[in-house]
Amino acid sequence: DGGITQSPKYLFRKEGQNVTLSCEQNLNHDAMYWYRQDPGQGLRLIYYSQIVNDFQKGDIAEGYSVSREKKESFPLTVTSAQKNPTAFYLCASSIMGWRQPQHFGDGTRLSIL
Amino acid sequence: SQQGEEDPQALSIQEGENATMNCSYKTSINNLQWYRQNSGRGLVHLILIRSNEREKHSGRLRVTLDTSKKSSSLLITASRAADTASYFCATDGRETSGSRLTFGEGTQLTVNP
Repeated sequence: DGGITQSPKYLFRKEGQNVTLSCEQNLNHDAMYWYRQDPGQGLRLIYYSQIVNDFQKGDIAEGYSVSREKKESFPLTVTSAQKNPTAFYLCASSIMGWRQPQHFGDGTRLSIL
Repeated sequence: SQQGEEDPQALSIQEGENATMNCSYKTSINNLQWYRQNSGRGLVHLILIRSNEREKHSGRLRVTLDTSKKSSSLLITASRAADTASYFCATDGRETSGSRLTFGEGTQLTVNP
């Protein structure tokens, strides 16, 4: 079945540590996105990519980094510069960028130890 | 500020009743989408309505769009306990650079058996 796989489901970060969240899709979608969701809140865009080797900052990119070396993969690194990383992180993909329905993974919940 | 805002924030109904959720937005849009999120899971796309459409149906879902009032509503008819979830509207704003998809904060729907 085609879909988006996020791993791990739960992740714990120590002080000063960088952690990387994985996102893989086999839907052959061009565009991929990372969102952050805080409890009881909507989604805020961190980064997005509409083509391999290219990505743009979203609304809350500070303290995060991404890469898009393959069409199928869009990993997100939460760096030590992100002082409040505890949240639910969602990856999504879509056909031809904006104006298309987005397909979501099941998220990674990140907590601080 | 958030492009889409849902109302009410929470809604509790009995099985078999209809549920109506509203979404208001601030700027002109290309389309508006509704998504559903079960607790601890990713979002699932429900329906997309374009700015030149006024109403759209999909099974037990009915979405309306009033661009003059910058508002949309999602009606779920004959609700079931399995409809319990958070529902989000997302807008693709014409005036925003890159036509970002902006999510509201959601309506938490509880359907009691």
